[in-house]
Amino acid sequence: AQRVTQVQPTGSSQWGEEVTLDCSYETSEYFYRIFWYRQLFSGEMVFLIYQPSFDTQNQRSGRYSVVFQKSFKSISLVISASQPEDSGTYFCALSEPYQGGRALIFGTGTTVSVSP
Amino acid sequence: NSKVIQTPRYLVKGQGQKAKMRCIPEKGHPVVFWYQQNKNNEFKFLINFQNQEVLQQIDMTEKRFSAECPSNSPCSLEIQSSEAGDSALYLCASSLSGGQDTQYFGPGTRLLVL
Repeated sequence: AQRVTQVQPTGSSQWGEEVTLDCSYETSEYFYRIFWYRQLFSGEMVFLIYQPSFDTQNQRSGRYSVVFQKSFKSISLVISASQPEDSGTYFCALSEPYQGGRALIFGTGTTVSVSP
Repeated sequence: NSKVIQTPRYLVKGQGQKAKMRCIPEKGHPVVFWYQQNKNNEFKFLINFQNQEVLQQIDMTEKRFSAECPSNSPCSLEIQSSEAGDSALYLCASSLSGGQDTQYFGPGTRLLVL
């Protein structure tokens, strides 16, 4: 069965520091994607980055990057030079192949607070 | 900023009342998903559409929840008889195509059932 686990419920950082958020998952599929979203305090979910399973290269997008350890079914989101605006709850989500659109399977998130 | 529009942002209902929320997907996105997020940050997939057709829905959705995505009108999710356990954030997401395309979320409708 599919499952996504984020064991760190909270985290904190000072302005300018690097933040690393961990996620592990279970899947029996060969092709899948792992997405990272940030949920603002308003509730809005903002897409950050995704990692396809077939790509051995760690993805980067601006200040966001991932460390993908496929053999361990583990992925970390790295936020470089964190800013107070990065505060929020970060969710890792698994997407498996399914024609027509497969629902995302989410972890329970890590709430990050970045101090000025 | 999200291009998926959800209304209303907040909804307060009594038990047994109907609760209806709407979603306008991002332009050009034919696939729409509805999720329920509870206060423990647990997400439950409810239903998804491709254009006007239902692709998948869970059992709960078949019983008390109804949803549609009519052509040229907002998608909607309606709870026929609200229960306290329905209090949650309801998130609508849209994607460009099926498969594993990125889902873009709206701001959500926060439902409180008293």
